[in-house]
Amino acid sequence: KQEVTQIPAALSVPEGENLVLNCSFTDSAIYNLQWFRQDPGKGLTSLLLIQSSQREQTSGRLNASLDKSSGRSTLYIAASQPGDSATYLCAVADNSGYSTLTFGKGTMLLVSP
Amino acid sequence: KAGVTQTPRYLIKTRGQQVTLSCSPISGHRSVSWYQQTPGQGLQFLFEYFSETQRNKGNFPGRFSGRQFSNSRSEMNVSTLELGDSALYLCASSFGGPNEQFFGPGTRLTVL
Repeated sequence: KQEVTQIPAALSVPEGENLVLNCSFTDSAIYNLQWFRQDPGKGLTSLLLIQSSQREQTSGRLNASLDKSSGRSTLYIAASQPGDSATYLCAVADNSGYSTLTFGKGTMLLVSP
Repeated sequence: KAGVTQTPRYLIKTRGQQVTLSCSPISGHRSVSWYQQTPGQGLQFLFEYFSETQRNKGNFPGRFSGRQFSNSRSEMNVSTLELGDSALYLCASSFGGPNEQFFGPGTRLTVL
């Protein structure tokens, strides 16, 4: 059974810092990995999707990397801003052909002005 | 284009009642998945529908059920509500299979 772990559970940084969020998964037979952002009490916003054959994806100040063989992904946020404050979730899809995602518990990020 | 919509956004029910939640996917998407989010368990998969057929089901009791209509809209039903069913219920839509998932704003269910 796939298990996804995110470290740290919470992170507080001053504005302007570069930061890295970590995600690890136990079964490397994944189809893709998706990073989401969730604001308090809201739904999930898709940030980046990395296919299993890819090493990284970039969108603006966000860069996600994937090392499937070691079961790890990182989300790099450059020049953090207070508006980046949210919970960041990673989720993996396996090779079953279903849409099912297995989620980590998330990293709660607070960026102070 | 319009995103995933869920109705209602908030619900308050009492133990023993039943509830129906609705999800309208992004136009063109045929797959709808449902998730339960609680502070203790995080996001847990409930079920997935594709072209009106349930394709996959998570580890939840039979009180949780769902269906999908020909226009891809989906409903989930929870019968005999328990206090532990209080959660944020999220649906996600996609073209099907392990493609990018897009989530709705969720329905916050409170069971008293």
